[in-house]
Amino acid sequence: DAMVIQNPRYQVTQFGKPVTLSCSQTLNHNVMYWYQQKSSQAPKLLFHYYDKDFNNEADTPDNFQSRRPNTSFCFLDIRSPGLGDAAMYLCATSREWGTGGENEQFFGPGTRLTVL
Amino acid sequence: AQKITQTQPGMFVQEKEAVTLDCTYDTSDPSYGLFWYKQPSSGEMIFLIYQGSYDQQNATEGRYSLNFQKARKSANLVISASQLGDSAMYFCAMSLDQTGANNLFFGTGTRLTVIP
Repeated sequence: DAMVIQNPRYQVTQFGKPVTLSCSQTLNHNVMYWYQQKSSQAPKLLFHYYDKDFNNEADTPDNFQSRRPNTSFCFLDIRSPGLGDAAMYLCATSREWGTGGENEQFFGPGTRLTVL
Repeated sequence: AQKITQTQPGMFVQEKEAVTLDCTYDTSDPSYGLFWYKQPSSGEMIFLIYQGSYDQQNATEGRYSLNFQKARKSANLVISASQLGDSAMYFCAMSLDQTGANNLFFGTGTRLTVIP
């Protein structure tokens, strides 16, 4: 089945120790997104890629970076995780962008990050 | 600025009964899309239903229907014949053309519990 895969599902890191979360998709979608969802809150968009074009949300901290080496993979790098970065990180894809229903976002299962 | 409001932090419904989850939105953009997602405890966001701002009829997908009242800026989700597996968080989300991408703005969610 075509899907969005995130590894690992659970990640523990130490304060200040860089960590990388990965996302892959078999849907061949053009757009990939990273969201941060803190406990009991709505997901918040960090950035997205349209193909290789990177789009950062204005309020995304510089501590968060992303790479998309090819259509299938996208990585979220947290350079110096703080305690406040503990959250669920959701990767999503959409075929194109636009408000139409055909461009619904497909989400992966998420990676829950714990910072010690 | 765009805003999505879900005023019900938690809802309970008896199995096999119908339930309505409220969502109101605010935008000055005439073109937008409204989405409902389900998030079980496993964390994955599951797309349920979509309504475009220019759609004349309310969207339906199986047991899910969207009660779209454009003048009131509301997009309530109706789940008919509730099942135990419907227990989850439900997020209403909106995408806007003016952002130039399919950025989703999420509400704070409603936790639905289905009682046997």
